[in-house]
Amino acid sequence: DVKVTQSSRYLVKRTGEKVFLECVQDMDHENMFWYRQDPGLGLRLIYFSYDVKMKEKGDIPEGYSVSREKKERFSLILESASTNQTSMYLCASSSGTGGGENTEAFFGQGTRLTVV
Amino acid sequence: AQSVTQLGSHVSVSEGALVLLRCNYSSSVPPYLFWYVQYPNQGLQLLLKYTSAATLVKGINGFEAEFKKSETSFHLTKPSAHMSDAAEYFCAVILMDTGRRALTFGSGTRLQVQP
Repeated sequence: DVKVTQSSRYLVKRTGEKVFLECVQDMDHENMFWYRQDPGLGLRLIYFSYDVKMKEKGDIPEGYSVSREKKERFSLILESASTNQTSMYLCASSSGTGGGENTEAFFGQGTRLTVV
Repeated sequence: AQSVTQLGSHVSVSEGALVLLRCNYSSSVPPYLFWYVQYPNQGLQLLLKYTSAATLVKGINGFEAEFKKSETSFHLTKPSAHMSDAAEYFCAVILMDTGRRALTFGSGTRLQVQP
């Protein structure tokens, strides 16, 4: 089974702290993604990566950055946490170039981040 | 522009009744389409996907969906609801005309099953 593991299920951080959310996948997938999930808004794409040291902005990148130093690991960084970043964060991975059968994304369990 | 629209943020059915969750997409090129389910405090699990093969797609737990190009729809159905189906359901697309491999999600529909 594909496994996407997020390092924390719950986090509480203070405003202004630098926050790291870690994600590791064990299926040698090229593509990795970070989403945030908020009630009534579904999942919104923050950043994604198709290769090591490659990153692309998603739909809501402001206030976030990412790092992909190894193929299996994709980190989301909140440079200076703010209360409006309180949310559920979901990491996902997939293989291929977006065409063909192997297009589905596999998700981690999520990290519920509260910024106080 | 909204790529995926899910009609109804909350749907309530009785146990044993038909489940119908609606999803419409907007794209000039038929996308790849997905339905995911999320149980409380869990990540997302794939129910089924459409990738330009058969238009009627069968998934896990008795769910199925039909791709209708003329209606730009991909509605999710299950003939008989079970209490364990209570969860949040997300429709998602990969937009083939953008070259982006990431899923774009609808806003979700929470399904409640009444005994």
